[in-house]
Amino acid sequence: EVQLVESGGGLVKPGGSLRLSCAASGFTFNSYSMNWVRQAPGKGLEWVSSISSRSEHILYADSVKGRFTISRDNAKDSLFLQMDSLRADDTAVYYCTRFEARNTGPDEYWGQGTLVTVSS
Amino acid sequence: EIVLTQSPAALSLSPGDRATLSCRASQTVSSYFVWYQQKPGQAPRLLIYDASKRATGIPARFSGSGSGTDFTLTISSLEPEDFAVYYCQQRSNWPLTFGQGTRLEIK
Repeated sequence: EVQLVESGGGLVKPGGSLRLSCAASGFTFNSYSMNWVRQAPGKGLEWVSSISSRSEHILYADSVKGRFTISRDNAKDSLFLQMDSLRADDTAVYYCTRFEARNTGPDEYWGQGTLVTVSS
Repeated sequence: EIVLTQSPAALSLSPGDRATLSCRASQTVSSYFVWYQQKPGQAPRLLIYDASKRATGIPARFSGSGSGTDFTLTISSLEPEDFAVYYCQQRSNWPLTFGQGTRLEIK
């Protein structure tokens, strides 16, 4: 069974940093691109970042470029999101997701999400 | 950036009704287009990919259609569990973008 389990969320002050982790299991992690998608409270979905299977291609939304860094450790089946210079509008549930943007198959997986709250 | 505009913002229908949800793109997108369903407190669930293909385990009452700039999600006969928020997403161009959502409510 495929599982994606996020951790690392919490309360942080504006300007602070947080590192999210996503532990993957049930599939060959190093064969898939991975993504972060977020959802502010009561709002819609926003794509944040994507990383290819061997980290050769990395993309960010303009809203986080220069502040967030996506990475992965294929030896540990883990995905990360380093978030620096956090702002109030980064407050959201952050989802770890497995999908290929241009090769979406019938199966797609999302974690349960981890809440990041940026507030003084 | 491709902007996706969903309509209507909210739709009030009864079980057994047919639901038609629309998503219009600000420029032509390829068939890399998906629809999600999201219920309160849950992660989104993939319903439709490649504009018209059903994801694993999705009932046949859900169907997707469209091309170019106009896409449609149709639920042929609403079941009680279908009342949720629906999002479209384009995967043709970066950044990937979502529509703002359509809330399907019980009348």
